[in-house]
Amino acid sequence: DAGVTQSPTHLIKTRGQQVTLRCSPKSGHDTVSWYQQALGQGPQFIFQYYEEEERQRGNFPDRFSGHQFPNYSSELNVNALLLGDSALYLCASSLEGGYNQPQHFGDGTRLSIL
Amino acid sequence: QKEVEQNSGPLSVPEGAIASLNCTYSDRGSQSFFWYRQYSGKSPELIMFIYSNGDKEDGRFTAQLNKASQYVSLLIRDSQPSDSATYLCAVTAGGYQKVTFGTGTKLQVIP
Repeated sequence: DAGVTQSPTHLIKTRGQQVTLRCSPKSGHDTVSWYQQALGQGPQFIFQYYEEEERQRGNFPDRFSGHQFPNYSSELNVNALLLGDSALYLCASSLEGGYNQPQHFGDGTRLSIL
Repeated sequence: QKEVEQNSGPLSVPEGAIASLNCTYSDRGSQSFFWYRQYSGKSPELIMFIYSNGDKEDGRFTAQLNKASQYVSLLIRDSQPSDSATYLCAVTAGGYQKVTFGTGTKLQVIP
């Protein structure tokens, strides 16, 4: 049973560039959430996708956008990268079903901005 | 006030002891509570979840929830060095699955 998979594992970009991160949910899951985790902090919610639509969004600027495909996989796009965007980006999948569905995380993509 | 608060630690316990990790939350409408373990450089791993007041046990782990006092705790019995990690408390509220995490408590189990 494949878990949540993310790609790439590591990425190095420079300020002003754009990046796309990818996520395949755990088999059977239909909901994908994205988080940003800075060093020493807990994950911060970016947004959540269900049925190919953004359902909820955290306090992140419009530079952060996403997409969900019919097979439930998802992408996170970040434009005009800033040094402060350096972080571990985590994808989590779950079954739609409201607040009580636990989320399962992928291994993350570590993004470094130079 | 932070939405989910945890003592950052480190919390040091000797091997075989009980480790007690605590978390408080501010939103009285919070409905689900999760504990994740995160090893350094790795992603969070779900340990337990609890929805109702009281205790929930799973092996060496017990989650405790008190909604009136707005706190949730995790007890780890017979702590092992392999339990050394950061433990993240996470809370959801509302109809969807937006999860708010605390900053985590670093646990060190001393052999």
